[in-house]
Amino acid sequence: QSALTQPASVSGSLGQSITISCIGTSSDIGIYNFVSWYQQHPGKAPKLLIYDVTERPSGVSNRFSGSKSGNTASLTISGLQAEDEADYYCNSYTGISTVLFGVGTKLTVL
Amino acid sequence: QIHLVQSGAEVRKPGASVKVSCKTSGYTFTTYSFAWVRQAPGQGLEWLGWVNTHNDNTNYEQSFQGRITMTTDTSANTAYLELKSLRSDDTAIYYCARKPSFWGATNFDYWGQGTLVIVSS
Repeated sequence: QSALTQPASVSGSLGQSITISCIGTSSDIGIYNFVSWYQQHPGKAPKLLIYDVTERPSGVSNRFSGSKSGNTASLTISGLQAEDEADYYCNSYTGISTVLFGVGTKLTVL
Repeated sequence: QIHLVQSGAEVRKPGASVKVSCKTSGYTFTTYSFAWVRQAPGQGLEWLGWVNTHNDNTNYEQSFQGRITMTTDTSANTAYLELKSLRSDDTAIYYCARKPSFWGATNFDYWGQGTLVIVSS
């Protein structure tokens, strides 16, 4: 199976909001609400930001939010901060007991 | 506090096998399952499979079928990943991650620090 589609890079200025898309198919994102988002800083393990499309784990800033429409999930980061500069990955359950990750998006904070 | 601590870096020749461990603490081991994810140098995340600590059920990414094995040792609170017939493109950082045992859960909430596996002749 191919990876979920994400933009290679996005950028935004301090204090602005950005949205990262994650495009799947009717066999994964389109049918299941099991989409998660992860943040990864260089040399570090990924960190869970959002799960079940919209849920935020305890301790994650409310500047991070998730949504879904059709086969596309989205991560929005509001009030961009310098420490948000990182790689972001989505993943989704695929219905055959497997998981697909997105290709990843590099966020640059200007 | 919850911790997942993985074994150290490994270097293997093509065709060899490697076994990576992931020792946990801070929670009841059998109440969660494990996913294994790898990341080749400069590349994205790739899901390898998962193992249920309660019943040892596993599910592997199809492209690894036949050369990957995930196990757990509840007495040691440790999960293991074994990969056989290594190739150069298996060079990557291998991560263990805790996940709810629910079938659809993709929320990997705690991660190990990663184990670098280098495959080179």
